[in-house]
Amino acid sequence: NAGVTQTPKFRVLKTGQSMTLLCAQDMNHEYMYWYRQDPGMGLRLIHYSVGEGTTAKGEVPDGYNVSRLKKQNFLLGLESAAPSQTSVYFCASSSGQGNSPLHFGNGTRLTVT
Amino acid sequence: GEDVEQSLFLSVREGDSSVINCTYTDSSSTYLYWYKQEPGAGLQLLTYIFSNMDMKQDQRLTVLLNKKDKHLSLRIADTQTGDSAIYFCAESFTGGGNKLTFGTGTQLKVEL
Repeated sequence: NAGVTQTPKFRVLKTGQSMTLLCAQDMNHEYMYWYRQDPGMGLRLIHYSVGEGTTAKGEVPDGYNVSRLKKQNFLLGLESAAPSQTSVYFCASSSGQGNSPLHFGNGTRLTVT
Repeated sequence: GEDVEQSLFLSVREGDSSVINCTYTDSSSTYLYWYKQEPGAGLQLLTYIFSNMDMKQDQRLTVLLNKKDKHLSLRIADTQTGDSAIYFCAESFTGGGNKLTFGTGTQLKVEL
């Protein structure tokens, strides 16, 4: 049981380049989330999804887009990367039932130069 | 908006108790959580407490919740070197996708 898998683990981009971060979960979870982690700021929610075909904005959505075409996958896109998007990105999923905990992937470290 | 605060660092000796504190501002939270992050890894759920409880004990972990002061703490008894990690508190709210608001994280260092 792999849980939540994120690819790639590391990536370096130049300003203005685009990329997509992939997240896959094999737990049949309804809810999926993208967070970014920055020193001294904890985790901040970028976008989330409460089911296949649905997405919603979180706390810091600007500069990012997401898609949930399949229940098991949640994609995070950067159309034109900026140095301010240098961060560690975490995907998480949950069943969405009551107090169901979030299950996290191991993160993607992105550097934008 | 929601705001969750933690101190950034805590250093303890092996065998001592650790107490990690967290304050939050939104009194409508339903559950409060403690997550642990080891280097190079994602966050793992340690324990949680429902907002109508005052205390929860789980082996070496004790969670205390003071709703009046909006203060949450995690006590780790007999702290071991394997407990060295970043600890995040988080709060959730009913409805709206079960989103969590995380604190800034406390780096716990356990010294021999």
